[in-house]
Amino acid sequence: RKEVEQDPGPFNVPEGATVAFNCTYSNSASQSFFWYRQDCRKEPKLLMSVYSSGNEDGRFTAQLNRASQYISLLIRDSKLSDSATYLCVVNKKSSGDKLTFGTGTRLAVRP
Amino acid sequence: GAVVSQHPSWVICKSGTSVKIECRSLDFQATTMFWYRQFPKQSLMLMATSNEGSKATYEQGVEKDKFLINHASLTLSTLTVTSAHPEDSSFYICSASLLRTTAYEQYFGPGTRLTVT
Repeated sequence: RKEVEQDPGPFNVPEGATVAFNCTYSNSASQSFFWYRQDCRKEPKLLMSVYSSGNEDGRFTAQLNRASQYISLLIRDSKLSDSATYLCVVNKKSSGDKLTFGTGTRLAVRP
Repeated sequence: GAVVSQHPSWVICKSGTSVKIECRSLDFQATTMFWYRQFPKQSLMLMATSNEGSKATYEQGVEKDKFLINHASLTLSTLTVTSAHPEDSSFYICSASLLRTTAYEQYFGPGTRLTVT
């Protein structure tokens, strides 16, 4: 079983739609959680860290459920510029600051 | 803040030659930097963890004699692909760790696209 699992998509949605991505992680010792976005042929960019209480940044909301080992990302009012691959990333304290990446979920927002 | 640069952004080299890639944290100091490789349509694969002033830690299956890493200062790590072969053609990305309030966050360089002919 992969350490971090994501639905690869693609999610094809119209502009203005709300879309949610889910991610599960297998190691209960995982301590820190992040969503990164990666555009085609570019480096990943940190979108947001995910905190236990859940957090929101503009149109983006991230949730963490430690009991179910599940992380989510909700994007409201999708824009064309949101089209990218969204990477779910976890870190175990025992591995220092080494990150484990999911394979990513592709989002395509159409006009 | 938290800008990481990489140089070169792309390189084409002949089989058997060596290529050096530089990774710099521009506005912060990074005790730890990481080197990743990404093949088309695949996820990032961690190659090694680079620690300032000590030897790099390589992931299983990554040849340390082929991928030489040097982290001579808190703002610079280099990856040298020695005796490159076409199968080494890939997108190489570095990242640097920055401690935020409660956790380390990693910031990525723009990547180096290596093509070995």
